[in-house]
Amino acid sequence: GAVVSQHPSRVICKSGTSVKIECRSLDFQATTMFWYRQFPKQSLMLMATSNEGSKATYEQGVEKDKFLINHASLTLSTLTVTSAHPEDSSFYICSARSTLEGVEETQYFGPGTRLLVL
Amino acid sequence: QKEVEQNSGPLSVPEGAIASLNCTYSDRGSQSFFWYRQYSGKSPELIMFIYSNGDKEDGRFTAQLNKASQYVSLLIRDSQPSDSATYLCAVIGYSTLTFGKGTMLLVSP
Repeated sequence: GAVVSQHPSRVICKSGTSVKIECRSLDFQATTMFWYRQFPKQSLMLMATSNEGSKATYEQGVEKDKFLINHASLTLSTLTVTSAHPEDSSFYICSARSTLEGVEETQYFGPGTRLLVL
Repeated sequence: QKEVEQNSGPLSVPEGAIASLNCTYSDRGSQSFFWYRQYSGKSPELIMFIYSNGDKEDGRFTAQLNKASQYVSLLIRDSQPSDSATYLCAVIGYSTLTFGKGTMLLVSP
């Protein structure tokens, strides 16, 4: 299957600092990438949809000025958590959509980034 | 509101048995259907995808889709303890991938 990578896999930062997470589709081009957040023992929550070359679409309740998303190319999307606070500590997972044969779509997940804000 | 419903479980089966995971969805326009496996503390891993009515087999896994009943299932044959995880059903309608809350599967040795 297609491969999606994320970096870093784990990050610990001080409150008030910003953290950038990279998501790359390694063997396919993804015009659309997605950012999810998952708190312990809870479901995946879609934060935003990232489209290459255009502004991200944020889900209700997600602050676009706090979670900056840049989809700079067909293989790279970044999520920057600005002025992080302890309540932002979570498991952040990106996902990239692959189009098979121009018709059918499949969505693959990166391995996730565990963020701990002290 | 597009919904994907799954029984949260846990579904407990003995090693070697068939595990049957079920999912229903509300959006009749849904086109693509996925099963992901998520181990605790890890991100979801795609197991199967199915687009057409009927069965699709891949190794020990069989996905079944019935669009008329808006029902998709995953069968795991010869269940192994390593299959113990949360299984997420997901559906793509117009553009968004909508997840169910997942069914926890426990396979006992």
